[in-house]
Amino acid sequence: SQQGEEDPQALSIQEGENATMNCSYKTSINNLQWYRQNSGRGLVHLILIRSNEREKHSGRLRVTLDTSKKSSSLLITASRAADTASYFCAFRGIYGGATNKLIFGTGTLLAVQP
Amino acid sequence: NAGVMQNPRHLVRRRGQEARLRCSPMKGHSHVYWYRQLPEEGLKFMVYLQKENIIDESGMPKERFSAEFPKEGPSILRIQQVVRGDSAAYFCASSLGTESSGNTIYFGEGSWLTVV
Repeated sequence: SQQGEEDPQALSIQEGENATMNCSYKTSINNLQWYRQNSGRGLVHLILIRSNEREKHSGRLRVTLDTSKKSSSLLITASRAADTASYFCAFRGIYGGATNKLIFGTGTLLAVQP
Repeated sequence: NAGVMQNPRHLVRRRGQEARLRCSPMKGHSHVYWYRQLPEEGLKFMVYLQKENIIDESGMPKERFSAEFPKEGPSILRIQQVVRGDSAAYFCASSLGTESSGNTIYFGEGSWLTVV
């Protein structure tokens, strides 16, 4: 399957703690992106990391990418109740056929308890 | 600066009816993508279109589903003779260009289809 796998499937933490989500994929990629989805809403783009980058920061977000292990992680520091959402990794693969579509991971449901 | 606009946001159809979902991409974007999200699951790619052309429809079911992106007007995802299993959220996304130009894909708020 071309789909990415994320773990954990669900994560519950207390406000102020850090949350780490992991994404693994099977194909070669040009870049990997992380999206957030609040319940019943659309996806919000959080951050993009290119295949030649190892780490990227944006506010309280830190993303790492290990292309040798075909994995990425998203760290949310000092979490807030408002961070409660589902988080998806997504990537554009390099394989036969069109490369422009995004392939999504299975998602991690994060619940931040106040 | 409107984002990707989808309508209707919620749609209820009886089994056997047709569902039409519309998507207006962000201004200036000529690449449109449709994704389906079943309850409690991630997004699954359905189809990628540019103006008047279907570029990749590898995720589209073979029957009952079709998509278009005419020269004028929104992109349409059409589902004929809907069945209960078509109940899902359908997301449209758009981008300015292709991967080679590193363009971010922006998503709409989704259209929630319920088949009763």
